[in-house]
Amino acid sequence: LAKTTQPISMDSYEGQEVNITCSHNNIATNDYITWYQQFPSQGPRFIIQGYKTKVTNEVASLFIPADRKSSTLSLPRVSLSDTAVYYCLVGGPSNTGNQFYFGTGTSLTVIP
Amino acid sequence: GAGVSQSPSNKVTEKGKDVELRCDPISGHTALYWYRQSLGQGLEFLIYFQGNSAPDKSGLPSDRFSAERTGGSVSTLTIQRTQQEDSAVYLCASSSSRTGPGRGYTFGSGTRLTVV
Repeated sequence: LAKTTQPISMDSYEGQEVNITCSHNNIATNDYITWYQQFPSQGPRFIIQGYKTKVTNEVASLFIPADRKSSTLSLPRVSLSDTAVYYCLVGGPSNTGNQFYFGTGTSLTVIP
Repeated sequence: GAGVSQSPSNKVTEKGKDVELRCDPISGHTALYWYRQSLGQGLEFLIYFQGNSAPDKSGLPSDRFSAERTGGSVSTLTIQRTQQEDSAVYLCASSSSRTGPGRGYTFGSGTRLTVV
């Protein structure tokens, strides 16, 4: 199973771009990379998913190098409301709950 | 409903008592998952349902934990003879398909269980 490694915490000032990198050295060929966001007292919420290269949506961008052993979630111009825990997950189409390793995530604190 | 609903939102119970936690998934979602999150920790997988059957119970920490799902909808997680180490937030998620690489999970807000 592809487990992930992320920094435990990060701080950023409002308006800055934040990049959170996740390592997944044993990612499998058919695995996708998915990022979730969790606010206090809420369940995680899907942000973005990718397989290779770059994916962008209205919330974030996801950069995946050619070897796919890592990925970087990029949050442009963060605001205070982006303070949350961000989880990187790796898994394939046939995987189910126990095969998505949420880990401890990265706790992002946005400072005014 | 519009989202995944969990009840109660908070539960305080005495050690040794049994508790039931309820999850009402999004209508039409066939897959349902239970996770547990201890303070400051990541999510720990407990059990997965596809319809009413549970093909994967590998995460249940002990035989004090059980879960069922009826009518392909509501699920109940039961913890018997609660212990203090059971204190955590119990999160339920549903998705529209068994497959899909982790994209389609919609989580509820969880039940915060405190065993005193």
